[in-house]
Amino acid sequence: SQTIHQWPATLVQPVGSPLSLECTVEGTSNPNLYWYRQAAGRGLQLLFYSVGIGQISSEVPQNLSASRPQDRQFILSSKKLLLSDSGFYLCAWKAGLSGNTIYFGEGSWLTVV
Amino acid sequence: GQQVMQIPQYQHVQEGEDFTTYCNSSTTLSNIQWYKQRPGGHPVFLIQLVKSGEVKKQKRLTFQFGEAKKNSSLHITATQTTDVGTYFCAGAGSYQLTFGKGTKLSVIP
Repeated sequence: SQTIHQWPATLVQPVGSPLSLECTVEGTSNPNLYWYRQAAGRGLQLLFYSVGIGQISSEVPQNLSASRPQDRQFILSSKKLLLSDSGFYLCAWKAGLSGNTIYFGEGSWLTVV
Repeated sequence: GQQVMQIPQYQHVQEGEDFTTYCNSSTTLSNIQWYKQRPGGHPVFLIQLVKSGEVKKQKRLTFQFGEAKKNSSLHITATQTTDVGTYFCAGAGSYQLTFGKGTKLSVIP
């Protein structure tokens, strides 16, 4: 069966520090991969999605970036965090073009102080 | 681009009362999906509706897809404290889902 792992689960980072969140999917190949952000008590904001290795689409311009170095690995990064980057970050996957359902990882709580 | 509106944003109900959340899309959807996010957790897939006018049930939850495939609803009968959470609808596009902002349900015991 397919599983998705996301880490770290929580982190507290100072303003201006870098960020790296990592996500891996097991049990499937060629998935579509996604990064969402959810501010406290708010909806899901799509940040990036990827349909293949090295292919990244950005939905919201900001100081975050994403990379997909391997088929089932998706990384969210920032060179310098802002206070407004605080939130709940969710990695998710979908079974390529044939699949409709998105499956979420357990999320990473980021607090920028 | 595609927009999915969801109402209400918040709903407080007494345990045992019914609850409904509504979802409207600016475009016709190929399918619509519903997710539930418990407090502190991640969204979990509940169901997918594909056909015009489709109705599906999961115990006390009833999901409907409109005839025009532009709206949907989730109805919970006789809410329980375990129903607490945020319910999201999501409309399907080619590569991604467009999520509504969710309805946060609180159940007063």
